[in-house]
Amino acid sequence: DAGVIQSPRHEVTEMGQEVTLRCKPISGHNSLFWYRQTMMRGLELLIYFNNNVPIDDSGMPEDRFSAKMPNASFSTLKIQPSEPRDSAVYFCASSLALAGGRGGELFFGEGSRLTVL
Amino acid sequence: QKEVEQNSGPLSVPEGAIASLNCTYSDRGSQSFFWYRQYSGKSPELIMSIYSNGDKEDGRFTAQLNKASQYVSLLIRDSQPSDSATYLCAVNMPSGTYKYIFGTGTRLKVLA
Repeated sequence: DAGVIQSPRHEVTEMGQEVTLRCKPISGHNSLFWYRQTMMRGLELLIYFNNNVPIDDSGMPEDRFSAKMPNASFSTLKIQPSEPRDSAVYFCASSLALAGGRGGELFFGEGSRLTVL
Repeated sequence: QKEVEQNSGPLSVPEGAIASLNCTYSDRGSQSFFWYRQYSGKSPELIMSIYSNGDKEDGRFTAQLNKASQYVSLLIRDSQPSDSATYLCAVNMPSGTYKYIFGTGTRLKVLA
């Protein structure tokens, strides 16, 4: 079975450019998460969706970041304009919510390594 | 207080020994707990999930959960050099939010 699929795997761009990261969750999963990982701050939750609806975007650093999930099999994370401090690895992950309000096992994509010059 | 806390390490153990990794969490209503392994430059890989108090064993791995103490641990028996990695503890926040919060990870070194 296919896991979480992210693209691009690597992105190098210049400050001020728009960056779009893409994610296809595991089929049948109803929750999707975007994380950012840096050495300094570890794995930070940016935003998550449940049944395609954004539930909590309190982790999004600022208005330059936006995320969408137009359907159950696709999500994007956009940064516009990008800045050098946005350089990090961005992970998408998906899970299936369990009965009783519990989260099921969370599975990660391979990540998108972003470098903003 | 951080929501999920781990000792950053490094934790060094000799090959063949038991490695013990610990994690505490702040929200008493948390219901789902997970351990991930992350090799340098790779994505987090799920090792264990645990939902009830007590022990859960899977091969060389044992997860232990104590909700009263808000504590979850991972034991790795017969540690191998290939187990050297960063181990991340993740906690699913209370009912309805489905939010997973990660600790900063413990770096484990298994010495041959």
